[in-house]
Amino acid sequence: AQSVSQHNHHVILSEAASLELGCNYSYGGTVNLFWYVQYPGQHLQLLLKYFSGDPLVKGIKGFEAEFIKSKFSFNLRKPSVQWSDTAEYFCAVNAKLTGGGNKLTFGTGTQLKVEL
Amino acid sequence: KAGVTQTPRYLIKTRGQQVTLSCSPISGHRSVSWYQQTPGQGLQFLFEYFSETQRNKGNFPGRFSGRQFSNSRSEMNVSTLELGDSALYLCASSPAGASGSREQFFGPGTRLTVL
Repeated sequence: AQSVSQHNHHVILSEAASLELGCNYSYGGTVNLFWYVQYPGQHLQLLLKYFSGDPLVKGIKGFEAEFIKSKFSFNLRKPSVQWSDTAEYFCAVNAKLTGGGNKLTFGTGTQLKVEL
Repeated sequence: KAGVTQTPRYLIKTRGQQVTLSCSPISGHRSVSWYQQTPGQGLQFLFEYFSETQRNKGNFPGRFSGRQFSNSRSEMNVSTLELGDSALYLCASSPAGASGSREQFFGPGTRLTVL
């Protein structure tokens, strides 16, 4: 069974600091990769996605992620965080299924707190 | 387009009862998935429906079931509720087609409390 690991459970940064959240998955086949964000009191929102092509993908609000197939990783980055980035971030993997469709496996999430 | 809507937003039930949750996907989306979110287990996949058929299934007991209607709306049912079923139940819709996979868009969830 596939699994997703997010190594940082809680991260505290000052505004303008750079962010990198790690995500590793275990699955040898074709995968689609996602980062979702959950702001306080809001529902899960798609931050960015990777299906194929350029392994460096850009998402909303200045976030980007790099897929490194050899390392089974899909790390999330942002050059300069803002207080409004305070949220919980989830990495998710969708393995290619025989019958197609969606079956996301989520990491445990990283709680990011940005201090002024 | 309107987002994914879920009703009700909050539910309180007692052990042994059953509950039905409803989800309306984004217009045009035919794939609807359900997830359970708890502090201890995180986000776990329950099942996915596409064109009124269950296409994928997670590792939950048979007490958890679902269905999808011809208009793509979906319901999820939990029978014989247990305390451990207390969770946020999330519905996600996707433009995924018959054979592929696509991104999913989540609704606000239904908070179920079992007493």
